[in-house]
Amino acid sequence: EVQLVESGGGLVKPGGSLRLSCEVSGFIFSDYSMNWVRQAPGKGLEWVSSITSSGNYIYYADSLRGRFTISRDNAKNSLYLQMHSLRAEDTAVYYCARDLQLAGRITIFGVIDLWGQGTLVTVSA
Amino acid sequence: DIQMTQSPSSLSASVGDRVTITCRASQDIGVFLAWYQQKPGKAPQLLLYAASRVQSGVPSRFSGSGSGTDFTLTISGLQPEDFASYYCQQYYNTLWTFGQGTKVEIK
Repeated sequence: EVQLVESGGGLVKPGGSLRLSCEVSGFIFSDYSMNWVRQAPGKGLEWVSSITSSGNYIYYADSLRGRFTISRDNAKNSLYLQMHSLRAEDTAVYYCARDLQLAGRITIFGVIDLWGQGTLVTVSA
Repeated sequence: DIQMTQSPSSLSASVGDRVTITCRASQDIGVFLAWYQQKPGKAPQLLLYAASRVQSGVPSRFSGSGSGTDFTLTISGLQPEDFASYYCQQYYNTLWTFGQGTKVEIK
């Protein structure tokens, strides 16, 4: 079964750190670029970060650069998001998400065809 | 950043209705636009990309059009399972941005 399973969310105090993980199965992880997308309670979707299949290219939302670090371990079929200096406004469900790949292994960067179930991060004193 | 503005923010409709949601980009994004559906408590699902290409497995009642700055998502013959929130998203550059969402409710 193709799936993405996030873990690592929870309650953290302002200024604290947290590391999210996403374990994938059912497809060749090393072939796909991946993303983190978040959604604050009752709000819309916000793209956080992307990483290409080899990890050679990494992108961040401007507002998060410097506090969040995306990484991947293709040998472990896992994606990570290290978050530092967390703020109340970082409270959200964080989704691990896969970029669409068409026939011929053509990646459509930024179009997400597979999402995890999400992990909730709550930043509160 | 490219700003994406959806309208309306919410709408009420009946089963069988034709529903249209619009999305406007703050600059020309060609056809680098995707649409997603999200039901409460669930992850989003991809409906369309490249403005008008329907993702595999998505019912044919969903269609999209537009290019440049103005786009539309149309649901032809609303079904009970279509009551959800819908988001547009640009992927023209590497700073992907979403619209604020449109909630489709039962009238």
